[in-house]
Amino acid sequence: NAGVTQTPKFQVLKTGQSMTLQCAQDMNHEYMSWYRQDPGMGLRLIHYSVGAGITDQGEVPNGYNVSRSTTEDFPLRLLSAAPSQTSVYFCASSERVPTGNTIYFGEGSWLTVV
Amino acid sequence: GEDVEQSLFLSVREGDSSVINCTYTDSSSTYLYWYKQEPGAGLQLLTYIFSNMDMKQDQRLTVLLNKKDKHLSLRIADTQTGDSAIYFCAESIGGGGNKLTFGTGTQLKVEL
Repeated sequence: NAGVTQTPKFQVLKTGQSMTLQCAQDMNHEYMSWYRQDPGMGLRLIHYSVGAGITDQGEVPNGYNVSRSTTEDFPLRLLSAAPSQTSVYFCASSERVPTGNTIYFGEGSWLTVV
Repeated sequence: GEDVEQSLFLSVREGDSSVINCTYTDSSSTYLYWYKQEPGAGLQLLTYIFSNMDMKQDQRLTVLLNKKDKHLSLRIADTQTGDSAIYFCAESIGGGGNKLTFGTGTQLKVEL
């Protein structure tokens, strides 16, 4: 099925550990982005990419790295996890100029840092 | 999203209409969205409206957009218990792609 696939769905990390959240889309979308969702705060943009080899920071980029070596994949890396990064992470993709219903979200990755 | 505001809670009786309100700040937004999120689940796009429209109706859902006041609302007619969820409004920012600014979400509780 076409769509945005995120892995893992659930993860528990110890403070200081590193990990990568994977995001892949098979719709040949140029735009991809990562959001985090915290209670009572809605979703906030972490990083985004407008095409392979191009990334930029969103509203809350600190503590996260991204790269976009292919159109399909947009991994989010936590180099040294902190409890403040406990959150639900969503990846999204869209065409360059999306119409209203062409932004696609993954199902989310629940991350707990202890 | 500090630039998109919603009330936190709304409680309605089953069968009544629900109106969820949202104010936004970016006048250059092209699309405004309503998403639904049930507990432990991802985001479900409910509806959206293009910024040059005033109203959009889709079955039980009606979206009203007041660009002058930067106010967006979602009306759910004949609200059912299955409508209980958190509802997020979001505006597209930065001129394209999927950079969205989300509101804090409104938790809708439907009582029998």
